[in-house]
Amino acid sequence: EPEVTQTPSHQVTQMGQEVILRCVPISNHLYFYWYRQILGQKVEFLVSFYNNEISEKSEIFDDQFSVERPDGSNFTLKIRSTKLEDSAMYFCASSEALPVAGGFGELFFGEGSRLTVL
Amino acid sequence: QKEVEQDPGPLSVPEGAIVSLNCTYSNSAFQYFMWYRQYSRKGPELLMYTYSSGNKEDGRFTAQVDKSSKYISLFIRDSQPSDSATYLCAMCPLQGAQKLVFGQGTRLTINP
Repeated sequence: EPEVTQTPSHQVTQMGQEVILRCVPISNHLYFYWYRQILGQKVEFLVSFYNNEISEKSEIFDDQFSVERPDGSNFTLKIRSTKLEDSAMYFCASSEALPVAGGFGELFFGEGSRLTVL
Repeated sequence: QKEVEQDPGPLSVPEGAIVSLNCTYSNSAFQYFMWYRQYSRKGPELLMYTYSSGNKEDGRFTAQVDKSSKYISLFIRDSQPSDSATYLCAMCPLQGAQKLVFGQGTRLTINP
């Protein structure tokens, strides 16, 4: 069964360092997403990406964050200068399509990358 | 008022019991309503979705949406220990449907 894969599964970094989280979405999917979940809190939307550009982003996704699809298979999230409050589980997701009335573009989530900022 | 509210539990029931999980929401623009299951250290996995109001059944699982009350439910019949997980409700409008808004998640344990 096709799946979204994420690396690394866990990264520990010092505050102020740059971090890149990597994702390989499902191969025929066109829409890509990053969500995050701070320990004990809700899963929160960060950004969606389609046709090589950001289609929507949340207020969390400030200038410290960027996303890129450097080749035909990878989708990355970069945090330029990590803060303590960036510690969270980051989930990549992909979907084949967007929902249309009555139909649905299911989001498939990866297992997550746990980021710990010290 | 929070956009989506869900009782975090924990909820513990005996095997075979009927489980009822619920969420309330405040944004009347929400049109898609989803239930995800999340096992420990895994990503959310879609269980069921409903478009607009009504009921949907899939095996032992039934999802209900009452848009007039802004209330959604997931029922699990004949619950099994393998159903033990965190259940997340999520929803989104038709426009901006990429941006799911999640509930807190309810941690459910089914005791053999």
